[in-house]
Amino acid sequence: NAGVTQTPKFQVLKTGQSMTLQCAQDMNHEYMSWYRQDPGMGLRLIHYSVGAGITDQGEVPNGYNVSRSTTEDFPLRLLSAAPSQTSVYFCASSASRGRVLETQYFGPGTRLLVL
Amino acid sequence: DAKTTQPPSMDCAEGRAANLPCNHSTISGNEYVYWYRQIHSQGPQYIIHGLKNNETNEMASLIITEDRKSSTLILPHAPLRDTAVYYCIVRGTSYDKVIFGPGTSLSVIP
Repeated sequence: NAGVTQTPKFQVLKTGQSMTLQCAQDMNHEYMSWYRQDPGMGLRLIHYSVGAGITDQGEVPNGYNVSRSTTEDFPLRLLSAAPSQTSVYFCASSASRGRVLETQYFGPGTRLLVL
Repeated sequence: DAKTTQPPSMDCAEGRAANLPCNHSTISGNEYVYWYRQIHSQGPQYIIHGLKNNETNEMASLIITEDRKSSTLILPHAPLRDTAVYYCIVRGTSYDKVIFGPGTSLSVIP
């Protein structure tokens, strides 16, 4: 298994540009989520999904869109990039079996710089 | 908001046990306590989790108080490579969103 993969690893955008951060997992996990981590700070939840076709907002959803058309993929879209969105973005996934809890696996991160 | 509180930083001498506390006074009966760590700029890594009994694995031990309002992660004989930020999280069902707090920055000192 490749686990959780994220592309690109690095990206530089200009203010106002849009882009999509890709996240994929090959573990058949139902639960997937996106976090951002600013320098010296903890992780903040952006959006999450408990299965294909189901998404919900996290702590800091403004400026981001997500969709979950397949179990494997959970792309994060920046609609109009702003310097405040400069951050490291982590994608995570875990199995979801109701009351049975599973650990989260994290991707390597995407480092985004918005000028 | 995160449901847990942790000290912002701690030091530990290399080879000694590191005891990282976490308060989760509002934990409900169906919520588990999870611990993750993040080394430098890598993605967080799972360490251990528990409900009400003490747990141990190859990485650490988790001690949960009887009233479940606090817990302690124990890293036995901490090597330098255990220097990281440690996050304590509570989570109920697998459909619950996972919120990270600021964590504890542990420095293992030679």
